[in-house]
Amino acid sequence: ELKVEQNPLFLSMQEGKNYTIYCNYSTTSDRLYWYRQDPGKSLESLFVLLSNGAVKQEGRLMASLDTKARLSTLHITAAVHDLSATYFCAVGALNFGKGTSLLVTP
Amino acid sequence: GAGVSQTPSNKVTEKGKYVELRCDPISGHTALYWYRQSLGQGPEFLIYFQGTGAADDSGLPNDRFFAVRPEGSVSTLKIQRTERGDSAVYLCASSPYGSSYNEQFFGPGTRLTVL
Repeated sequence: ELKVEQNPLFLSMQEGKNYTIYCNYSTTSDRLYWYRQDPGKSLESLFVLLSNGAVKQEGRLMASLDTKARLSTLHITAAVHDLSATYFCAVGALNFGKGTSLLVTP
Repeated sequence: GAGVSQTPSNKVTEKGKYVELRCDPISGHTALYWYRQSLGQGPEFLIYFQGTGAADDSGLPNDRFFAVRPEGSVSTLKIQRTERGDSAVYLCASSPYGSSYNEQFFGPGTRLTVL
């Protein structure tokens, strides 16, 4: 059974700071997805990582994938309040982590 | 263009009743997925359709849950003899390709409450 673990599950950070969210998974997969979910809303696709070493960036978010370590990271640079949301990683599309609830404070 | 739509947006029912949840995928998307999401949790996979057939139904929790997609477009998730533990947000997603590895586009969800 594929297990997906995200950490931290909760994160409060100040505006302007940097932080990294981690997604570990238990079995081999060559595709990993990051989604954002705002309260009461559905999931919005952020990144699709298709191969070992893949790195994608959009604004203040950067995602990377290390398939050998079975690890993906979502790095936040100079956080702003608008980034407050829950972030999910999904491995092989069907297997989601529990999510990281991010709160960016002034 | 139109995204994935789901109806109803909210459904309140009594324990033991039967419910149907509907999903309209993005036009032309061949793959359709159902998940349920409990409060504070990630989406839990239920079933995935490729065209009209269920390609993977390993996530259905028991035989009270059933889903159909008779014409390869709209899908209905059916829950018989609902239980309080079925209360959750049921999410539908679609993707343009026929593999479980492709990017999915999610609908707004149906919030099911079983009293």
